[in-house]
Amino acid sequence: EIVLTQSPATLSLSPGERATLFCRASETVNSFLGWYQQKPGQAPRLLIFDTSHRATGIPARFSGSGSGTDFTLTISSLEPEDFAVYYCQQRNNWPWTFGQGTKVEIK
Amino acid sequence: QVQLQESGPGLVRPSETLSLTCSVSNDSISDTGYYWGWIRQPPGKRLEWIGSIYYSGSTYYNPSLKSRVTISVDTSKNQFSLSLKSVTAADTAFYYCARRAITRTKPNWFDPWGQGILVTVSS
Repeated sequence: EIVLTQSPATLSLSPGERATLFCRASETVNSFLGWYQQKPGQAPRLLIFDTSHRATGIPARFSGSGSGTDFTLTISSLEPEDFAVYYCQQRNNWPWTFGQGTKVEIK
Repeated sequence: QVQLQESGPGLVRPSETLSLTCSVSNDSISDTGYYWGWIRQPPGKRLEWIGSIYYSGSTYYNPSLKSRVTISVDTSKNQFSLSLKSVTAADTAFYYCARRAITRTKPNWFDPWGQGILVTVSS
């Protein structure tokens, strides 16, 4: 199965700063990479699908990029509600797999 | 908008069968444009896709769990269910149900998810 490795494990930033999160796949997932946000006690929420497309209702400060095996989620200017855990997921190969998560915490 | 809600026992004994149900509201589980799935997350570990089902009953499972998993659908109740047999402590996790679109006009990703339910395997 495809292993997704996210980095860093934790990102300590202040509101207003730019956050850059990485997801690397053990083999190509083409463009079939998505990102989810999970806040404590809540279900994951789809943010980005197919590498760079924002899901319905997701603010423009969230953007995704990459291809093949290396992908990036960027939050251009952190809002207080953005501090959460972010997961990447691939759906290029079965079984679909997730990364281990990056926690974005307040510095 | 569509809502999903997991239900079932929060505690299961080792070697027994874990059984959960996902109730779908504000959408028909018989909608031909969606699959319905289960995902779990052991405490402190990554998310793991368990399997998915179509309203017709067509299923596909994660090979790592396939020998122990059954997912079924009850269109009359607008629900789908997860059964995981011979559980061990390693099956302790938050269990989520989620919808996945399969049409070209919608993201083919897990969206939305239920709130999740913690199932602990312990004697």
